[in-house]
Amino acid sequence: KNQVEQSPQSLIILEGKNCTLQCNYTVSPFSNLRWYKQDTGRGPVSLTIMTFSENTKSNGRYTATLDADTKQSSLHITASQLSDSASYICVVSGGGGADGLTFGKGTHLIIQP
Amino acid sequence: EAQVTQNPRYLITVTGKKLTVTCSQNMNHEYMSWYRQDPGLGLRQIYYSMNVEVTDKGDVPEGYKVSRKEKRNFPLILESPSPNQTSLYFCASSIHRGYNEQFFGPGTRLTVL
Repeated sequence: KNQVEQSPQSLIILEGKNCTLQCNYTVSPFSNLRWYKQDTGRGPVSLTIMTFSENTKSNGRYTATLDADTKQSSLHITASQLSDSASYICVVSGGGGADGLTFGKGTHLIIQP
Repeated sequence: EAQVTQNPRYLITVTGKKLTVTCSQNMNHEYMSWYRQDPGLGLRQIYYSMNVEVTDKGDVPEGYKVSRKEKRNFPLILESPSPNQTSLYFCASSIHRGYNEQFFGPGTRLTVL
């Protein structure tokens, strides 16, 4: 069964600190992996998209890594800001199912001043 | 500005009263999709459309209908809403199913009494 597991479920860190969010998947076949940021009550916004051959991709202070062998991805946030408070959703494309997208349930990140 | 719009943003209705949530995109995208998001369950796909006049069920299609008569519009119809359809709904679009970045609308918060 295609699954995407994210950890931790929630995380609280102080402003200025770094953090890393994890995404493990069992989706097969694999096409790409996406990280989205979702502010409370708003639609998700894409941060990165990585294919099988890409190990790392950055978007400002956000850096995503992908290990296709172990089927793991991480999202690293550097020098966190209050505006980073949001849910971060990992989505894997390529497996079967309705339209080939398997969503994780997200990590809820809170940045405290 | 490239965007996905949804209307209404908020709706409170009663059981059994038919309603339609509109979705429109101005990016000439072929692929459009509807999701619902509930606490602890993440985003779940309701219906998707690969192109005009082509629609298919997602993971949770019961109680919903869609149509795709024009490329830009993809309305979600609840013929007889029930309280278990109280949720936050998102419309999304992308150039094609698969690799391309998916753009999400701002969301519609629906309450069925």
